Amino acid sequence: AQTVTQSQPEMSVQEAETVTLSCTYDTSESDYYLFWYKQPPSRQMILVIRQEAYKQQNATENRFSVNFQKAAKSFSLKISDSQLGDAAMYFCAYSKGNQFYFGTGTSLTVIP
Amino acid sequence: ETGVTQSPTHLIKTRGQQVTLRCSSQSGHNTVSWYQQALGQGPQFIFQYYREEENGRGNFPPRFSGLQFPNYSSELNVNALELDDSALYLCASSERGRSAEQFFGPGTRLTVL
Repeated sequence: AQTVTQSQPEMSVQEAETVTLSCTYDTSESDYYLFWYKQPPSRQMILVIRQEAYKQQNATENRFSVNFQKAAKSFSLKISDSQLGDAAMYFCAYSKGNQFYFGTGTSLTVIP
Repeated sequence: ETGVTQSPTHLIKTRGQQVTLRCSSQSGHNTVSWYQQALGQGPQFIFQYYREEENGRGNFPPRFSGLQFPNYSSELNVNALELDDSALYLCASSERGRSAEQFFGPGTRLTVL
């Protein structure tokens, strides 16, 4: 069964600094998708970034980038120049076909 | 473009009752997935609907059932409510075949007393 593990329940970062959130997953598939979602206190889940497993190049979206290590089954999220609005729960997710699997989340605090 | 909407926002039920939650998919999306998110946990996949048929199910008992309508909106029904059913229920819509990207609604907070 596919599992997604986020080993950091809580993280904090100084405003304008860089933080990396960790995620590992378990799968026997070779083609799948990985995602990072942000869930602010208002609770609406928002897609931050997406990675397709067959692409070797790491995805980047403005201040957000990933380090995708397929062999190690690792998918970390780097947030550069952290802003107060980045404070939220961050969920790593794995998708194959019509199934989605989420990690337990990392709560990110941004310190002014 | 209208996003995913869910109703109601909050709901309180007692053990043994039945509940229906509703979701309107984003314009142009034909697939709806439902998730249960317990407090402090990540969302757990309940099931997915595509073209009015169930298209995949997570590890949830049969008392969790759903419907999808011709306009792609969807309902989640839960019978014989248990205390552990208290959670945030999230609906997500997507366009089938479009790289699995899902768009989430704001959720319905269900409390079972």
